[in-house]
Amino acid sequence: SQELEQSPQSLIVQEGKNLTINCTSSKTLYGLYWYKQKYGEGLIFLMMLQKGGEEKSHEKITAKLDEKKQQSSLHITASQPSHAGIYLCGAAHGSGNTGKLIFGQGTTLQVKP
Amino acid sequence: GAVVSQHPSWVICKSGTSVKIECRSLDFQATTMFWYRQFPKQSLMLMATSNEGSKATYEQGVEKDKFLINHASLTLSTLTVTSAHPEDSSFYICSAIGRKYNEQFFGPGTRLTVL
Repeated sequence: SQELEQSPQSLIVQEGKNLTINCTSSKTLYGLYWYKQKYGEGLIFLMMLQKGGEEKSHEKITAKLDEKKQQSSLHITASQPSHAGIYLCGAAHGSGNTGKLIFGQGTTLQVKP
Repeated sequence: GAVVSQHPSWVICKSGTSVKIECRSLDFQATTMFWYRQFPKQSLMLMATSNEGSKATYEQGVEKDKFLINHASLTLSTLTVTSAHPEDSSFYICSAIGRKYNEQFFGPGTRLTVL
């Protein structure tokens, strides 16, 4: 079955520093989603990538999907305390357009002021 | 983005009772909704797919008789945890697909605690 591995599992950075979170799949990704979650709350949609080599940015967050479509990275520039939370990558389950998502185990980010 | 709500946001119940959780798409029609479960410090696990007007499809290992799903309208899906036990205590999150399959919006979640 398809699995997503996120690294690192947790991250503590000083405010203003850049950071990168990785998401690796054992199989080709047909749609890769990045969400942010605060503990005990719902998921906030960040970005969705579909094409190999695709890159999207929103404010200080950039997500990329590699050419082989098996790895994605989420990069935060000049981190702020508001970026703290749990970042989850999710992938479309299989090649069919079912809407089902499987998720990585999450990366917990703390930003120290 | 579109808004998905869940009710209640948290619930505490006694072991053996049933609990119903509602998931609503507030400003769009959702023919398909999903139910996920998240245990502390773990990721989301898909439980089932809820389709309007038809039976839900459950993921492997999820008991369909224990987790009853009803998708009675294009804006409402309900998850009923029957005869709840402490091990069912978890964070339940629903999601709904918007106009395009690549748009999936999540509810704020419902925390269930079974005593």
